[in-house]
Amino acid sequence: GEDVEQSLFLSVREGDSSVINCTYTDSSSTYLYWYKQEPGAGLQLLTYIFSNMDMKQDQRLTVLLNKKDKHLSLRIADTQTGDSAIYFCAEPLLSGGSYIPTFGRGTSLIVHP
Amino acid sequence: EPEVTQTPSHQVTQMGQEVILRCVPISNHLYFYWYRQILGQKVEFLVSFYNNEISEKSEIFDDQFSVERPDGSNFTLKIRSTKLEDSAMYFCASSEALLAGTDTQYFGPGTRLTVL
Repeated sequence: GEDVEQSLFLSVREGDSSVINCTYTDSSSTYLYWYKQEPGAGLQLLTYIFSNMDMKQDQRLTVLLNKKDKHLSLRIADTQTGDSAIYFCAEPLLSGGSYIPTFGRGTSLIVHP
Repeated sequence: EPEVTQTPSHQVTQMGQEVILRCVPISNHLYFYWYRQILGQKVEFLVSFYNNEISEKSEIFDDQFSVERPDGSNFTLKIRSTKLEDSAMYFCASSEALLAGTDTQYFGPGTRLTVL
């Protein structure tokens, strides 16, 4: 089965880097996702990484994947107050021909000015 | 930009009562989903819906729950005889196509259900 684990809170100063970590258990996952939830809004797909990649960079975001340890991380460079949100790690559960995201509990990122 | 909307944002009900949570998916989307998140716990998949029938459901989605697309725009989740443990945030989502790995689901802002 799949079980996604993340720490609940992360607090950083504006301008610093943030690293949000996640562990998963299904080594057959072909994709892994990061979702962002801003206050009062729904979950939004932030980025994803193919399982055959070790790293993916997209502007201030860097996703690192360690398949051996089943560890996924999201690094946000030059963190801004607008990055304050809940970040969810997710892996897909194949169900009836569709990939249903299986989410962690979410990490609340708090950015201090 | 089109978005998924949900009403109400917060619903308070007495244990044993029925509640209906409403969602308006993005208009050209064909696949609809409900998830829930109990406070401090994971976002859990409940059900997916396509072509006016349930495609997949989790073990959480028992006979207490039902979904319906009563018209061309709304997608509802009905919870019969609510229990205290049904208190959670309920998220609706929709997608244009069957999720094939990188297709995007669009989520609504959620309805917080409190059962007293």
